[in-house]
Amino acid sequence: DAGVIQSPRHEVTEMGQEVTLRCKPISGHNSLFWYRQTMMRGLELLIYFNNNVPIDDSGMPEDRFSAKMPNASFSTLKIQPSEPRDSAVYFCASSTGTGVTDTQYFGPGTRLTVL
Amino acid sequence: KNEVEQSPQNLTAQEGEFITINCSYSVGISALHWLQQHPGGGIVSLFMLSSGKKKHGRLIATINIQEKHSSLHITASHPRDSAVYICAAPLYSGGGADGLTFGKGTHLIIQP
Repeated sequence: DAGVIQSPRHEVTEMGQEVTLRCKPISGHNSLFWYRQTMMRGLELLIYFNNNVPIDDSGMPEDRFSAKMPNASFSTLKIQPSEPRDSAVYFCASSTGTGVTDTQYFGPGTRLTVL
Repeated sequence: KNEVEQSPQNLTAQEGEFITINCSYSVGISALHWLQQHPGGGIVSLFMLSSGKKKHGRLIATINIQEKHSSLHITASHPRDSAVYICAAPLYSGGGADGLTFGKGTHLIIQP
């Protein structure tokens, strides 16, 4: 199994540009999570999906952030327009079941730098 | 205020020492996760436990649901154990899945 796949691995962009991060969960997993990690705040949950449906997006910082899961094998996290404070590592994770009593498998992360 | 608290924040020890990292949380949960993040940045799930104790190699995780406390122990520590160890709990239940709330992590360095 290839594990959770994220792309790109590194992204450098200028303030104001649109950024799209991509995630392919492990086949057969029906829960998908987007997390953000910064030095100041550590790891934070942004949004999670169950069976392709967004369950809770209260962690999304503001309207500039949006996430979609059009099918069971693909999700995107979009930032438009991007700002320097969005610089962070963004992780995607997937699990079977609800993720509560199931192991979450993390992707390698996307390191985003907004200049 | 983070509702998952870890201690210590930083820990440096000599190879072979017994290591304990503590985690406490503020609300009742059904399970707690321990994660490991290596210097390269990748995150690996070590344990998911809902009661008692789990062991994997030199790693042991315990949880006391009533006291809202968990510990991660490393026996016979080795420099390759150097990493950030993070505990996480599903504090906020959604309708069909539960994201995790993370502790700030414990940065462990094992010196040869």
